[in-house]
Amino acid sequence: DAKTTQPNSMESNEEEPVHLPCNHSTISGTDYIHWYRQLPSQGPEYVIHGLTSNVNNRMASLAIAEDRKSSTLILHRATLRDAAVYYCILRTPWETSGSRLTFGEGTQLTVNP
Amino acid sequence: DAMVIQNPRYQVTQFGKPVTLSCSQTLNHNVMYWYQQKSSQAPKLLFHYYDKDFNNEADTPDNFQSRRPNTSFCFLDIRSPGLGDAAMYLCATSREREKLFFGSGTQLSVL
Repeated sequence: DAKTTQPNSMESNEEEPVHLPCNHSTISGTDYIHWYRQLPSQGPEYVIHGLTSNVNNRMASLAIAEDRKSSTLILHRATLRDAAVYYCILRTPWETSGSRLTFGEGTQLTVNP
Repeated sequence: DAMVIQNPRYQVTQFGKPVTLSCSQTLNHNVMYWYQQKSSQAPKLLFHYYDKDFNNEADTPDNFQSRRPNTSFCFLDIRSPGLGDAAMYLCATSREREKLFFGSGTQLSVL
């Protein structure tokens, strides 16, 4: 599986935007970029995913670089409930690796009141 | 409403005593996964089922086994737990190609 690189930790203030970066220089043309987050004492939860174009949903936005070697998860207004570990994951096509989803180390986001 | 249910939330076992963790789902998803997460580490995929087809990760120890008797249930069996197997065990489900839904996990302690 192609590797992702994320900062170990980031801090933000409540109600401010947060930009969480992810580098994936070895991404292949068919890999999807997925983001999950894990709140304390809970299982991970899906946030967003994309292939080439920027994506928006009710939780966040995903900005993907034109060369796809990096991406940024954007939380538009951080709340205290957004404090979590955020994982950037490359998911290979179903036909290549079946159903597998493997996690990297993630970024611990701290949100200050 | 819980969709992926793991029981129990906390499990204590003795060194070398077999233990079974359970997972059930109400989503009717055809793929089920087991992950191991040690303290301050990322979840590590142990194996997954696509329908009844079992897919083991290459580095999953033989001490870990799994059963999926039907679509809704999946079990993780640890045949002879060691101290290093103390961890959070996470179950997840998905339809093929779609996002994963995780349970809250079972925290396993080995005494």
